[in-house]
Amino acid sequence: AQSVTQPDIHITVSEGASLELRCNYSYGATPYLFWYVQSPGQGLQLLLKYFSGDTLVQGIKGFEAEFKRSQSSFNLRKPSVHWSDAAEYFCAVGARNNDMRFGAGTRLTVKP
Amino acid sequence: NAGVTQTPKFQVLKTGQSMTLQCAQDMNHNSMYWYRQDPGMGLRLIYYSASEGTTDKGEVPNGYNVSRLNKREFSLRLESAAPSQTSVYFCASSKSRDRHYEQYFGPGTRLTVT
Repeated sequence: AQSVTQPDIHITVSEGASLELRCNYSYGATPYLFWYVQSPGQGLQLLLKYFSGDTLVQGIKGFEAEFKRSQSSFNLRKPSVHWSDAAEYFCAVGARNNDMRFGAGTRLTVKP
Repeated sequence: NAGVTQTPKFQVLKTGQSMTLQCAQDMNHNSMYWYRQDPGMGLRLIYYSASEGTTDKGEVPNGYNVSRLNKREFSLRLESAAPSQTSVYFCASSKSRDRHYEQYFGPGTRLTVT
């Protein structure tokens, strides 16, 4: 069965600094990988997804993620964080039939 | 388009009470899902409906029932609420169960069972 690990429960970065959120997955076949963001009191919004092809995928709000099969990772990055990026971020792996497994989430705090 | 809507936004129940969480989508999606979100555990699938007229158990179905009322609406019922069901519940929908299609989420229902 597929699973997702997000090693960092909480990360704090200064506004303008770069960001990398880690995600490791376990899945026997080619994974479909997603990053979602959840602002306080809101539902989840898709940031980006990887299905195949170019291993560096671009998403909304200036985010990107890189799929590394050898490391079973799909880390999310942003070169310069804005205060509005403070939120909770979820990595998910999609198996057949769109069964998704979510990581436990990483909460991002942005310092002014 | 409103996307995925859920009602109510907040609810407090006493142990043993019942309630139904409502979800509707206006994107003409075939598949709908109910998740619960607990601290440190991410989202876990309770039930899903691949298409109108079908429902299936997910990862944590015990204590819940669902109804796919029509293509738009998918409700979640707690027959006898327990404190362990205190959680935030999210409804989602997607064009189909094909994993190419992303899931769209509602704003959530925060449920407390005392």
